[in-house]
Amino acid sequence: QVQFVQSGAEVKKPGASVRVSCKASGYTFSHYAVHWVRQAPGQRLEWMGWINAGNGHTTFLHKFQGRITITRDTSATTAYMDLSSLTSEDTAVYYCARASIVGTTGFDYWGQGTLVTVSS
Amino acid sequence: QSALTQPASVSGSRGQSITISCAGTSSDVANYDLVSWYRQYPGEAPKLLIYEVNERPSGISTRFSGSKSGNSASLTISGLQAEDEALYYCCSYSGGSSWVFGGGTKVTVV
Repeated sequence: QVQFVQSGAEVKKPGASVRVSCKASGYTFSHYAVHWVRQAPGQRLEWMGWINAGNGHTTFLHKFQGRITITRDTSATTAYMDLSSLTSEDTAVYYCARASIVGTTGFDYWGQGTLVTVSS
Repeated sequence: QSALTQPASVSGSRGQSITISCAGTSSDVANYDLVSWYRQYPGEAPKLLIYEVNERPSGISTRFSGSKSGNSASLTISGLQAEDEALYYCCSYSGGSSWVFGGGTKVTVV
């Protein structure tokens, strides 16, 4: 069965960086995209960006340009999201989710979420 | 990129039908048949209910249906049950390989 397992909770100081990993299993990793979505406490879902796990091409929401990096390791079937220059506004649960490369499937499988807390 | 507009809350009685609206623009909902809907229980990850406007993934109840007209999409839940009490989000492709979610709607079963 398709499954995503994300890395554990993180506590970071303002200005620091964080890496969240997302280990995929149960399907051919390189045939799909991995998207990253975050949810601040009590707030809506916010789409952040995605990576084509086949060719490594990435797209990000404009507001994160310059601060976000999404990579993947196809041999480890794992995607990574790095976010730098953290502020308190980046405190959120970060999710990875799978979609078809052309996006027609919706986000059909999700990781369990990783809580990132930014606090001095 | 602005969030899609959803009502903050919708309520209904058990057995009733409710509809959640999702208003977008000509840049997203109106321009692409790539609207999806998600249900989220507190403390859990979202779950896909509808994709490509009106398609249900395997295992999703036929009580959930989706539609779209112009700039707006809708999710209808028929035969409302206690377990339907949750947060619901719409999402649309918005061009340029980007996606946008709605603000979320809390469904209450009274």
